[in-house]
Order: sequence, then C-alpha cells, then structure tokens
Amino acid sequence: DTGVSQDPRHKITKRGQNVTFRCDPISEHNRLYWYRQTLGQGPEFLTYFQNEAQLEKSRLLSDRFSAERPKGSFSTLEIQRTEQGDSAMYLCASSLATSLRYNEQFFGPGTRLTVL
Amino acid sequence: RKEVEQDPGPFNVPEGATVAFNCTYSNSASQSFFWYRQDCRKEPKLLMSVYSSGNEDGRFTAQLNRASQYISLLIRDSKLSDSATYLCVVNQAGTALIFGKGTTLSVSS
Repeated sequence: DTGVSQDPRHKITKRGQNVTFRCDPISEHNRLYWYRQTLGQGPEFLTYFQNEAQLEKSRLLSDRFSAERPKGSFSTLEIQRTEQGDSAMYLCASSLATSLRYNEQFFGPGTRLTVL
Repeated sequence: RKEVEQDPGPFNVPEGATVAFNCTYSNSASQSFFWYRQDCRKEPKLLMSVYSSGNEDGRFTAQLNRASQYISLLIRDSKLSDSATYLCVVNQAGTALIFGKGTTLSVSS
C-alpha cells in the first residue's frame, strides 16, 4: 500500500498522560499536514511541513501540542498532559507541491484518540 | 460567518435520483476548490477538484462560480454506494485546506 499511513489507529489514554502519533506520507510527497476532526465537524487544520520545515501552525495548536518531521519523511505529533477536549480523530495528509494553485491532499486513516 | 458553509442535510434519495449539493465560501482570495467524500469513521477521500470552467467525472459534475463564491456538486443516477458525507473544501494559498461541516447523503433502494 503506497498511501498515507498512521500509527496507532486507536489510542485510549488517561487525562494528563502524553501521547505520540506517527504519520508516514506518500513517499514522493514533500508536504505533510496534520488535521483534527471531531464528531459532526469537518477536519480542522493544525500544522504543516514542507520537507523538514514546519511552515505554519494553527491557533488550535496549543503549547501542549508539538509536531516534528526530522528528516522530511515521517512526522510525529505529540500531545502533552492530555485533556478530555483533545479526544478527536487526528488525520495526517500529504501532497506534492509542484503548484501552489491546486494542492490536492491525500489523507491517512487517522488516529482516533480517546482521553478518559 | 463560517469560512465554508454547507447544508448539513441529511439528503435522503432513492437509487437513480439526481441530487445536488451547494456550498458557499467567504474568502474571495480562495484559489482552489475540492469535493471530498467521507464514509463513517473513515478518512476523507478526494472526490474531485473543482475548476473554474466546471468539470465532470462520470456521474459527478462540479461547478464553481467565483463571483458568487459558490461551489456545487451534482450526482446523477445515485447508487447505494454513494451514501456518505460530502465535504466542500477550499484552499487559499496552497497550504491548509478549509473544510465545510459536510452534507450527508443517504441513498436507499
């Protein structure tokens, strides 16, 4: 399978614990995005990398959230001191940015986080 | 005002029906436009990009009206397998996608 992969697919944690999610983009894609989706809403943008550089962060990305893409390939999203409000589906997407105009992004299956 | 607004539905139609979804966006600087499809508890999948001249892919036709900041998706000859949530998406500067809440379609036999 050459699509975007995410690990784990499900994570249940207790409030206050730290969690880390991994995303492997489509191999030739240089852009990688993280989104969050809650029930009944569309995905909301969190952050984006071009190669290893983190170029944009949403105001949704509080200080408890950090993302890295150290070698410009896979990325990790860490949430520290989780809160119940962090419960959501965390989606990763990737794209090949040959043109700014049409930025077709392809999504992974997501990591569903439940904070108890 | 939400950046991307859609009628949430649900739209309940019989097989073979034609159904149209509408979407408006607020930022006139938006540059690219998409429809994504999302099945229950799955990731969004790109259905089609929407071009200024309008475009068609089989039973699906997308239209864009930049002056009215309006996007539409028409599905002809609906199939049971078309049942899903359809997300209207805009992109302003080649980075973050801005999603609507989605329109739910249920096709019945």
